[in-house]
Amino acid sequence: AQTVTQSQPEMSVQEAETVTLSCTYDTSESDYYLFWYKQPPSRQMILVIRQEAYKQQNATENRFSVNFQKAAKSFSLKISDSQLGDAAMYFCAYRSGGSARQLTFGSGTQLTVLP
Amino acid sequence: NAGVTQTPKFQVLKTGQSMTLQCAQDMNHEYMSWYRQDPGMGLRLIHYSVGAGITDQGEVPNGYNVSRSTTEDFPLRLLSAAPSQTSVYFCASSTRANQRTYEQYFGPGTRLTVT
Repeated sequence: AQTVTQSQPEMSVQEAETVTLSCTYDTSESDYYLFWYKQPPSRQMILVIRQEAYKQQNATENRFSVNFQKAAKSFSLKISDSQLGDAAMYFCAYRSGGSARQLTFGSGTQLTVLP
Repeated sequence: NAGVTQTPKFQVLKTGQSMTLQCAQDMNHEYMSWYRQDPGMGLRLIHYSVGAGITDQGEVPNGYNVSRSTTEDFPLRLLSAAPSQTSVYFCASSTRANQRTYEQYFGPGTRLTVT
């Protein structure tokens, strides 16, 4: 079975600064997808960014980017120019490729943005 | 489109009571899932369905039943509520038509307390 580990329960960052959230995963599969979800206090799960394992290029979505190290099974999220609205719980998630398999989540990192 | 809707938003049950959490989606998605979210544990898969009439167990299925009589609806039944089922419950849906990523769309969640 796949496992996803987020070793930072809490992180904080100053507004306008950059922060990196860590995620590692364990799998024997070669085809899979990785995701970062944001959960603000409203509880809504919001997809932040997605990475296909077969792509070597790191995904980027505006101020959000990932550092995907397939050999090391590491998938970190970098938030640049942090904004107060980025404060939330962030979950790393894994999904097997090419099937209806569901998501396996990490335990989450609570991000605080300091004004 | 309303997306994924869940009712109720909040519920308090006494131990031993039964109830059904409702989930509906209007996107004609084939796949639907139920997750529970507990502090420090991320989201864990309870049950999922790959289409009407087809369901399967996830990581934590005990104490829950599901059925999928239509594409739109995927109710989650608690047969005899226990305090260990106090949690936030999320329903999600996805479609194979979304290329190969099967991006999951989440409902707003139901906060359940069992006393």
